[in-house]
Amino acid sequence: AQSVSQHNHHVILSEAASLELGCNYSYGGTVNLFWYVQYPGQHLQLLLKYFSGDPLVKGIKGFEAEFIKSKFSFNLRKPSVQWSDTAEYFCAAFTGGGNKLTFGTGTQLKVEL
Amino acid sequence: DAGVTQSPTHLIKTRGQHVTLRCSPISGHKSVSWYQQVLGQGPQFIFQYYEKEERGRGNFPDRFSARQFPNYSSELNVNALLLGDSALYLCASSFDGQRNSPLHFGNGTRLTVT
Repeated sequence: AQSVSQHNHHVILSEAASLELGCNYSYGGTVNLFWYVQYPGQHLQLLLKYFSGDPLVKGIKGFEAEFIKSKFSFNLRKPSVQWSDTAEYFCAAFTGGGNKLTFGTGTQLKVEL
Repeated sequence: DAGVTQSPTHLIKTRGQHVTLRCSPISGHKSVSWYQQVLGQGPQFIFQYYEKEERGRGNFPDRFSARQFPNYSSELNVNALLLGDSALYLCASSFDGQRNSPLHFGNGTRLTVT
């Protein structure tokens, strides 16, 4: 079965630290990959997406992710986090037809001042 | 423009009861999807509808059902509620439910079953 896995469930960083959140997927076909963010009390928002082309994808708020096909990975990075980045981050993939999303379990990021 | 709106925002029900959750998509969007987000887990796909037709169904029991109306709004129904149905139920809309149609999520309905 198709699946998306996130390795870190809780991450605590100080402001200005660098961030990398891991995401791996298991699916043999064409995969479209996403990172979503959920700020406290708000709806899921799209950070970035990969469909094809340049495997290094840049998203909103200074986030980027790299698609490495050989490792089935799509890790999220940010060079310098801010307190306002405190949120839950979900990796997701379209697997199969239509735009049905399979989500990872999420990573709760807390950025301390 | 209004985003995806869901009602109610919070709901408390008793085991065995029935619940109906509602979703209004973004204007112009014809596809609606439903997801269940249990605490500590990522959202899980329940249903997708497009033009009032079911396009996909996740691994959920028959107690879960949904429909889409001519105005593209949608209802999710859950019968014979179990404690394990306690979750945040998310609705997402997109233009046509295809891969190049971005999904826009609502704030969700928090269902607590006691």
